[in-house]
Amino acid sequence: GEDVEQSLFLSVREGDSSVINCTYTDSSSTYLYWYKQEPGAGLQLLTYIFSNMDMKQDQRLTVLLNKKDKHLSLRIADTQTGDSAIYFCAEKMGDDKIIFGKGTRLHILP
Amino acid sequence: EPEVTQTPSHQVTQMGQEVILRCVPISNHLYFYWYRQILGQKVEFLVSFYNNEISEKSEIFDDQFSVERPDGSNFTLKIRSTKLEDSAMYFCASSEGGALYNEQFFGPGTRLTVL
Repeated sequence: GEDVEQSLFLSVREGDSSVINCTYTDSSSTYLYWYKQEPGAGLQLLTYIFSNMDMKQDQRLTVLLNKKDKHLSLRIADTQTGDSAIYFCAEKMGDDKIIFGKGTRLHILP
Repeated sequence: EPEVTQTPSHQVTQMGQEVILRCVPISNHLYFYWYRQILGQKVEFLVSFYNNEISEKSEIFDDQFSVERPDGSNFTLKIRSTKLEDSAMYFCASSEGGALYNEQFFGPGTRLTVL
């Protein structure tokens, strides 16, 4: 079945790197996403990776995909207070629906 | 920057009542979606809508739910007779196209509380 799992909380000191991990079950997904949700706001697409890639870098963000283990991670370098949010791992199923994880709440320590 | 908007931000209703959640998708988008998130649970796909008809729906989207695009700008989700378990955050989304690479843009959500 379709399932996306991720840890619920992560605390990181300001300036350190944050690594948020995710596992998924459906190997037929073609796009994998990371969404960010700030308080009172909608889900904002941060970055995505196509399933035939194993890494994507976008400024402070690095996405790693291990398709064999069905493991996706998001690394945020030099974590800042503005990165405090909930981060959702998600996979695209077919043309329409997106399957989300429960979200990881990233807390930045001073 | 264009964005998806949703009203109201918070809706409180009594069990058994009908509710209509409203969304204004981005103006040139053709595909529309509803998702929901029960507190502490995952964001779940409910339904997708294109060309004035449902293109896909999940098991959650039973006969109590309906969607409509009553005019050129609004996209609504109606729950006919709300149950306690319908309490959740409901997110609307829209995309320009329906292909895999088309990004879905999400609204801020409507928090529905059923008493």
